[in-house]
Amino acid sequence: GAGVSQSPSNKVTEKGKDVELRCDPISGHTALYWYRQSLGQGLEFLIYFQGNSAPDKSGLPSDRFSAERTGGSVSTLTIQRTQQEDSAVYLCASTRSRTEKETQYFGPGTRLLVL
Amino acid sequence: QKEVEQDPGPLSVPEGAIVSLNCTYSNSAFQYFMWYRQYSRKGPELLMYTYSSGNKEDGRFTAQVDKSSKYISLFIRDSQPSDSATYLCAMLLQGAQKLVFGQGTRLTINP
Repeated sequence: GAGVSQSPSNKVTEKGKDVELRCDPISGHTALYWYRQSLGQGLEFLIYFQGNSAPDKSGLPSDRFSAERTGGSVSTLTIQRTQQEDSAVYLCASTRSRTEKETQYFGPGTRLLVL
Repeated sequence: QKEVEQDPGPLSVPEGAIVSLNCTYSNSAFQYFMWYRQYSRKGPELLMYTYSSGNKEDGRFTAQVDKSSKYISLFIRDSQPSDSATYLCAMLLQGAQKLVFGQGTRLTINP
């Protein structure tokens, strides 16, 4: 079946602009995660959604970052007033439920470049 | 010090060789240990996971966890050029949701 999809694949923006990144999890998966992969930092957790519960935002690096998940499916990660250090690959993952957290399926990522 | 340490390589071996990839960690509370494979410009793909200590085998891949030494390994037997990728170890605390990753090791299998 279809895997996790993300859009856009690539995004180039100017410093100070806002960007929105989209994630479509695997159908039926209730848990959704955002990670960031950058040179020198590796893969870092950003935020986690599970059903209708309050999200775990403990990994968001600053208040310029926010995310929402509408209808328990699609998620959008928003970065306001982008900075050059935000350049990275943003990866989304999903699992069938919170009890299957060890089997996170990743999407292809969105490559963000802030000029 | 990072919670999970992984030699970034690069590691280059001839086809057919046995490959050993390793990670060390500092938090003894980690309970789940995963290995992901990531091809260039793709997302990570889960290869195997192990709960607590012990070995797990899946085809040409074997994962080992030594909790006493805080050390995990992934062995690839009869390596193929298609195994060329970056291999990431990841760990989870019991009851937690976020994966903690190593830096990844870039592996090249030469025909």
